[in-house]
Amino acid sequence: SQQGEEDPQALSIQEGENATMNCSYKTSINNLQWYRQNSGRGLVHLILIRSNEREKHSGRLRVTLDTSKKSSSLLITASRAADTASYFCATGGGTALIFGKGTTLSVSS
Amino acid sequence: NAGVTQTPKFQVLKTGQSMTLQCAQDMNHNSMYWYRQDPGMGLRLIYYSASEGTTDKGEVPNGYNVSRLNKREFSLRLESAAPSQTSVYFCASSELGQTNSPLHFGNGTRLTVT
Repeated sequence: SQQGEEDPQALSIQEGENATMNCSYKTSINNLQWYRQNSGRGLVHLILIRSNEREKHSGRLRVTLDTSKKSSSLLITASRAADTASYFCATGGGTALIFGKGTTLSVSS
Repeated sequence: NAGVTQTPKFQVLKTGQSMTLQCAQDMNHNSMYWYRQDPGMGLRLIYYSASEGTTDKGEVPNGYNVSRLNKREFSLRLESAAPSQTSVYFCASSELGQTNSPLHFGNGTRLTVT
């Protein structure tokens, strides 16, 4: 049962450009989390935003949450080749985090 | 600080064989989880343990069993492997319940069942 759905599925940009990924979900949540996964590795937590928060920043990352539209976005500013990875949103409303299928970001130099 | 350690990293099984995937965390986390990741499917929760001594089914528990051996260790067992269990398995841990705090993941076990 997929809760969060990321869009787009794949994104290719040049170094220095900004990358925006979106996540939509269906039911009420307590919080929404974003994770990054480099090829062949486990997921790494990026940001957790709670349902009463609208925006959160961490370094070059900016996450917004619109609970009325049941959507979130992850913005990576001034992208670097090292940002090449898959990005997943995960929604938490009950006992289990439910992950989306991810956005694959490719940043070329 | 190792974080979450999974063994083995790779495994090939024949249909019907059994094996146990091991997971240990050194962060004194209460909760631990097993996920599987398949192409195009994202991560799906197999089992989780909210605290030492408790385990609960996730989204896809059939064909698996788990043991929370102590606070550090959470193992996943395949009693009779099937080709449909070919996947990448990730163990994770969190300080609180998974919807309330970040998950810390291991680097995965890549399992092929022939």
